[in-house]
Amino acid sequence: SQQGEEDPQALSIQEGENATMNCSYKTSINNLQWYRQNSGRGLVHLILIRSNEREKHSGRLRVTLDTSKKSSSLLITASRAADTASYFCATDFNLRGTSYGKLTFGQGTILTVHP
Amino acid sequence: GAGVSQSPSNKVTEKGKDVELRCDPISGHTALYWYRQRLGQGLEFLIYFQGNSAPDKSGLPSDRFSAERTGESVSTLTIQRTQQEDSAVYLCASSPWTSGSEQYFGPGTRLTVT
Repeated sequence: SQQGEEDPQALSIQEGENATMNCSYKTSINNLQWYRQNSGRGLVHLILIRSNEREKHSGRLRVTLDTSKKSSSLLITASRAADTASYFCATDFNLRGTSYGKLTFGQGTILTVHP
Repeated sequence: GAGVSQSPSNKVTEKGKDVELRCDPISGHTALYWYRQRLGQGLEFLIYFQGNSAPDKSGLPSDRFSAERTGESVSTLTIQRTQQEDSAVYLCASSPWTSGSEQYFGPGTRLTVT
């Protein structure tokens, strides 16, 4: 089964509003990553947060990680039409203390930002 | 520098034929990953390479799927006797190392089995 589960499955907002997407996972992780995908093709890495970090910022992106709840959120502030895409969280397992770099992806959130 | 490239970008094949998908990772990247993405779904891990060896093949769906990597560079994913359920986008990614690093994805190969 998928390690990461995002919600909502789809989110529709107006330009300028904030968008929040959530991700839950099941096992211990080394890090959690967020990726963006346009038009069902290649993914672009957005941000990586390690298991010992609680919050990270990159431009208009803010990611939080709560390891006690096994959850993460991605906040996009002041959204733009160009932010329209699918967003995926991916977890890097902690398998017996070792990371293999194998990412397990959730099903994704489809974000639509209306101009 | 150049990113990850994949070829072909699209492939239509008849059921039962073999196909070969190619991935050129970023130069110097040790780790290489193959994923499959069915329409409207997340990515499924298939296999990863550390150098030229594949320590984890656990995601390969059946023995019709195989992959190799040579010269710590190019990788090919081969699907024999293709089935309609193999239709998907096949994505390749590379990273400088396997632990705790972001992955750089190629544009994918869209495979359609008719």
